[in-house]
Amino acid sequence: DGGITQSPKYLFRKEGQNVTLSCEQNLNHDAMYWYRQDPGQGLRLIYYSQIVNDFQKGDIAEGYSVSREKKESFPLTVTSAQKNPTAFYLCASSFGLLGRTNTEAFFGQGTRLTVV
Amino acid sequence: GIQVEQSPPDLILQEGANSTLRCNFSDSVNNLQWFHQNPWGQLINLFYIPSGTKQNGRLSATTVATERYSLLYISSSQTTDSGVYFCAADGTSYGKLTFGQGTILTVHP
Repeated sequence: DGGITQSPKYLFRKEGQNVTLSCEQNLNHDAMYWYRQDPGQGLRLIYYSQIVNDFQKGDIAEGYSVSREKKESFPLTVTSAQKNPTAFYLCASSFGLLGRTNTEAFFGQGTRLTVV
Repeated sequence: GIQVEQSPPDLILQEGANSTLRCNFSDSVNNLQWFHQNPWGQLINLFYIPSGTKQNGRLSATTVATERYSLLYISSSQTTDSGVYFCAADGTSYGKLTFGQGTILTVHP
């Protein structure tokens, strides 16, 4: 089945620790994205990548880092510098880059991160 | 950047009723999508509709790009339609869908 797989579904982290969220897609999409959702809120863009080895900051990139070494994979690291990391994180992908082409975005099932 | 506003914020229906959700956006778009977020948080794609009209079963959507709004119609609602409905659009910001605040739909049996 083609789709976007995020793992793990639930993640608990102690304060001061870095943690990496996985996102893999087999849709042959060039562009990938990370969003954050807080309770009762819409989604906000953290980072996006138009192509392998290239990525750009979104609206709330502080305290996060990403890499794009393979077309299929776009992991997100939540660092200890992120002040309020507890949130629901969603990964997405699309053929072309949003805002530049007519393209539809698809989302993974999300990872719920809790800092304890 | 683009602004996306949804209305109403909350909607309560009896099973079988029809409803209309509205999305206003402030800029021209390449992408406008409607999503349903289920209780587990997953965003389900309903429509990709930067312009025109589409139908899928009991759901249909219309976007009037020149007037910068989109409508999602739900007919004969079912309890499984409950959840949060999001409208999202790209505008001219690269790499980004801007989401509205969502409409929380509750369908009672």
